[in-house]
Amino acid sequence: RKEVEQDPGPFNVPEGATVAFNCTYSNSASQSFFWYRQDCRKEPKLLMSVYSSGNEDGRFTAQLNRASQYISLLIRDSKLSDSATYLCVVLSFMNSGGYQKVTFGTGTKLQVIP
Amino acid sequence: DAGVTQSPTHLIKTRGQQVTLRCSPKSGHDTVSWYQQALGQGPQFIFQYYEEEERQRGNFPDRFSGHQFPNYSSELNVNALLLGDSALYLCASSLQALMNTEAFFGQGTRLTVV
Repeated sequence: RKEVEQDPGPFNVPEGATVAFNCTYSNSASQSFFWYRQDCRKEPKLLMSVYSSGNEDGRFTAQLNRASQYISLLIRDSKLSDSATYLCVVLSFMNSGGYQKVTFGTGTKLQVIP
Repeated sequence: DAGVTQSPTHLIKTRGQQVTLRCSPKSGHDTVSWYQQALGQGPQFIFQYYEEEERQRGNFPDRFSGHQFPNYSSELNVNALLLGDSALYLCASSLQALMNTEAFFGQGTRLTVV
């Protein structure tokens, strides 16, 4: 089983729709979670951090479910400009060596259609 | 404040050659991580440097090596290039001391091996 798994999509949704992505992780000791957005042929950029209590930024809502070991990203009122690949990132603290381990999901592709 | 900068942006090499990619981290960051992203895939972790030492390594052969300098900048070296090494190489910088810190990415170096 992969450490971080995402549905690669593509998710094709009409403008104005609500769309949700999930990301599952296998390491129960994982501590920090992020959603990154990557446009075609560009570098990933941080979209939002994911907190245990859930967090919202405008049309975007991120949630963490530690019991089931997944995080989610909800996009409301989709815009054409939301078309991108959304990468799930999981940080774990490795006791041996005392460093962070960063693991990316393969990304979920979103295409918002006019 | 300059973000993460990588050079060169594009590179074409032939099989068997060696390549060096460079990365300057965001000001104030002390940790540099390198990722390989093949077309349509999520970034795959190569290795991470902190305090001029390789702290952790992904599942990449010894042909991939690196270095971190006292000013925190870093190099990624790939020897005996294979066609399959063609990818976008991303450098990310972060601050080791902060567990929940986000990573900032450079724009990447697109390597094509022919």
